[in-house]
Amino acid sequence: DTGVSQDPRHKITKRGQNVTFRCDPISEHNRLYWYRQTLGQGPEFLTYFQNEAQLEKSRLLSDRFSAERPKGSFSTLEIQRTEQGDSAMYLCASSSYGGSTYEQYFGPGTRLTVT
Amino acid sequence: AQRVTQPEKLLSVFKGAPVELKCNYSYSGSPELFWYVQYSRQRLQLLLRHISRESIKGFTADLNKGETSFHLKKPFAQEEDSAMYYCALREESGAGSYQLTFGKGTKLSVIP
Repeated sequence: DTGVSQDPRHKITKRGQNVTFRCDPISEHNRLYWYRQTLGQGPEFLTYFQNEAQLEKSRLLSDRFSAERPKGSFSTLEIQRTEQGDSAMYLCASSSYGGSTYEQYFGPGTRLTVT
Repeated sequence: AQRVTQPEKLLSVFKGAPVELKCNYSYSGSPELFWYVQYSRQRLQLLLRHISRESIKGFTADLNKGETSFHLKKPFAQEEDSAMYYCALREESGAGSYQLTFGKGTKLSVIP
């Protein structure tokens, strides 16, 4: 296991198209997070899963965004009807459950460019 | 809502000089604070957390609840410390939230 992986690493799409990103967490981690990072900003939280349950959603996650984690393993993030403002780096992270502290391990990110 | 402020976008220091990356937060409870680092062409990774009270790669950070600060310090900067540093906050344990709130980051450049 080489850590959190994300696919694709880069995506260029035209405005109005739908895109889907995949995240594979570290195998024993049951928590999975999605963040978005735009230029000059730190990562901003989008949503969080514990196993297959989506437990938190940010107000940043408009109705054009949907995330799933159907079997509690990999997760997908879909953006429908993309807009130029969706251009950003989409980061996935995972962590394990339990203990008094925890660490979120980040993937390399998917860079989305909407033209 | 919680907020994390990193006032410096860029900090340049000479090799061997002390480093202090500032982080202030706004949160009414007792948060957990973290420093994450991103080296060139690498992914974001945890550097240290306030609960552990540990020193990683010579860096330390003390949570000052009175000043709501969590500044990152190192007595002698090394060239390999050049990276992007993000301060992050998590709501207090038991609040049910696991999201991290990040600052905008500070780019540290160590001049040889």
